[in-house]
Amino acid sequence: GQNIDQPTEMTATEGAIVQINCTYQTSGFNGLFWYQQHAGEAPTFLSYNVLDGLEEKGRFSSFLSRSKGYSYLLLKELQMKDSASYLCAVRENGGGNKLTFGTGTQLKVEL
Amino acid sequence: DTGVSQNPRHKITKRGQNVTFRCDPISEHNRLYWYRQTLGQGPEFLTYFQNEAQLEKSRLLSDRFSAERPKGSFSTLEIQRTEQGDSAMYLCASSQTSGGAENTGELFFGEGSRLTVL
Repeated sequence: GQNIDQPTEMTATEGAIVQINCTYQTSGFNGLFWYQQHAGEAPTFLSYNVLDGLEEKGRFSSFLSRSKGYSYLLLKELQMKDSASYLCAVRENGGGNKLTFGTGTQLKVEL
Repeated sequence: DTGVSQNPRHKITKRGQNVTFRCDPISEHNRLYWYRQTLGQGPEFLTYFQNEAQLEKSRLLSDRFSAERPKGSFSTLEIQRTEQGDSAMYLCASSQTSGGAENTGELFFGEGSRLTVL
């Protein structure tokens, strides 16, 4: 089984940088995903890490440390439209790409 | 539109009634997943198919829930004798078998079917 923890809520200011942390415990790690979900909409894929290190994609970066069971999502130059829930999800070996999600971090971007 | 399509988008029903949701995945994807999501929570895995074979079912999935993917394309999720606790968003997702430098095996989600049981 898996245990995935991430903060419930965060607030940040437009133009700033925010880091959303995720810790996990799993028996057969095979990748960590970050999704963004606006209220009432489908989750959309943001990033994927399977090896240790930083993956950068525009204003979004994601970091993974497999030995620590730890990941973070970094959002730069925050915009109001970044207000959403950010879901950390882990894939295990043998699960057919099945993802197990955390509860999500609700990010509010303020002026 | 080549995304994942779900219908109906909203369903209101009375306790004890049966409901059925349909999901049309991205056409070249061989894997299809059903998740359930309640307010303030992340999606919870229910079941998944590879082609027409149902390969895994969550222990969360009671006997009142059944899913099919008869021709390996669209899928249906039926809930019999609905209970108020079944009220949730039911999300469908699809993916390709992971492999290759560019294929992460990420899940592509539909907009969901929101169920309200009165």
